[in-house]
Amino acid sequence: NAGVTQTPKFQVLKTGQSMTLQCAQDMNHNSMYWYRQDPGMGLRLIYYSASEGTTDKGEVPNGYNVSRLNKREFSLRLESAAPSQTSVYFCASSELGQFVGPLHFGNGTRLTVT
Amino acid sequence: ELKVEQNPLFLSMQEGKNYTIYCNYSTTSDRLYWYRQDPGKSLESLFVLLSNGAVKQEGRLMASLDTKARLSTLHITAAVHDLSATYFCAVDMNSGGGADGLTFGKGTHLIIQP
Repeated sequence: NAGVTQTPKFQVLKTGQSMTLQCAQDMNHNSMYWYRQDPGMGLRLIYYSASEGTTDKGEVPNGYNVSRLNKREFSLRLESAAPSQTSVYFCASSELGQFVGPLHFGNGTRLTVT
Repeated sequence: ELKVEQNPLFLSMQEGKNYTIYCNYSTTSDRLYWYRQDPGKSLESLFVLLSNGAVKQEGRLMASLDTKARLSTLHITAAVHDLSATYFCAVDMNSGGGADGLTFGKGTHLIIQP
């Protein structure tokens, strides 16, 4: 009963380093999302993938890239980390269709960039 | 640009009292979601409201949606300490069942004191 699994749970990077956040879901959902959460800002959408083979920018895409590897997996890459990217990152998935269900969230990755 | 505003952003209340959290949004949508987040944890789906006049209840929480007023409320009845958390509302930007994600409010940090 895993749902949405994110790795790693915690990460500390130095400015300029790169890393990839991994996300996998086992609910056979079509759509997957990456959000970041900052204090007092709620959650903001970085990128999303409506279905396998497609990706689109969200509200705050600058400094990030994504890959929808297959239906299960959606990764987020920081090519050159900056302190402004210190945040908690959540991956989510949902079913696509006329009646859109809630997003199902992973447990988050807490990233600190020094 | 869709904006979602919650108020209050911070609420401290006593056990046994009733209170309402408000969620206003700026564009037409008939899909609204409420989530709960405990400190350091992920987001848990509470309610999915999919039409004008929808009302959902779970225990001491009741959510409603008025699409004409672009307003949703989360009402807490006879609050108990276990309901202390941050509550987010989120709006579907595409009422046609698209998969381009949800726009979140900034959250209401609720503390319930004995």
